[in-house]
Amino acid sequence: AQKITQTQPGMFVQEKEAVTLDCTYDTSDPSYGLFWYKQPSSGEMIFLIYQGSYDQQNATEGRYSLNFQKARKSANLVISASQLGDSAMYFCAMREDITGGGNKLTFGTGTQLKVEL
Amino acid sequence: NAGVMQNPRHLVRRRGQEARLRCSPMKGHSHVYWYRQLPEEGLKFMVYLQKENIIDESGMPKERFSAEFPKEGPSILRIQQVVRGDSAAYFCASSPPAQNNSPLHFGNGTRLTVT
Repeated sequence: AQKITQTQPGMFVQEKEAVTLDCTYDTSDPSYGLFWYKQPSSGEMIFLIYQGSYDQQNATEGRYSLNFQKARKSANLVISASQLGDSAMYFCAMREDITGGGNKLTFGTGTQLKVEL
Repeated sequence: NAGVMQNPRHLVRRRGQEARLRCSPMKGHSHVYWYRQLPEEGLKFMVYLQKENIIDESGMPKERFSAEFPKEGPSILRIQQVVRGDSAAYFCASSPPAQNNSPLHFGNGTRLTVT
């Protein structure tokens, strides 16, 4: 069974600083994918970034980058130059391949990020 | 290009009533997933559907919950005889077929409150 662990229930960061949100995972599948989603207080789930297990380079999307360390089974999200609008809950998730070619995600418990002036 | 559309946004039901949650996937997406988020928790997978087929319902409670994705129209998550423990946010997501590295695009969710 797949498992995602986010050990930081809450994090604070100063505006314009970088912050790293931790995520570790456990799977026996050789092929998997890792996602990060943002959930602001309004409640929607916003896709941020994806990393495939066979990708050679760490994924980047604007101010978001994923520090993928396969041997350590970690997929930390790095947000550079934090902005007040980054304050939200952040979820790490892992894709599980299932019958029919679909994507089934297992989510971590989330990290609540608060960006301060 | 409209995203995943869910309605209603908020739904209040009394114990014992039925709740119907609707989800229209993104254009071109034929795979639909339902997830539930209890307060202070992450999302938990409930069911995965393709048009007219349930592919994986391993996360669905055995009783009172059902889901469908008909040939025409939105996907429906139906909860019969709701109880207080059903109060949660229910998210629908969609993806294109056969693209395992494509992200799931979520709707804004339906917040169900059972009184």
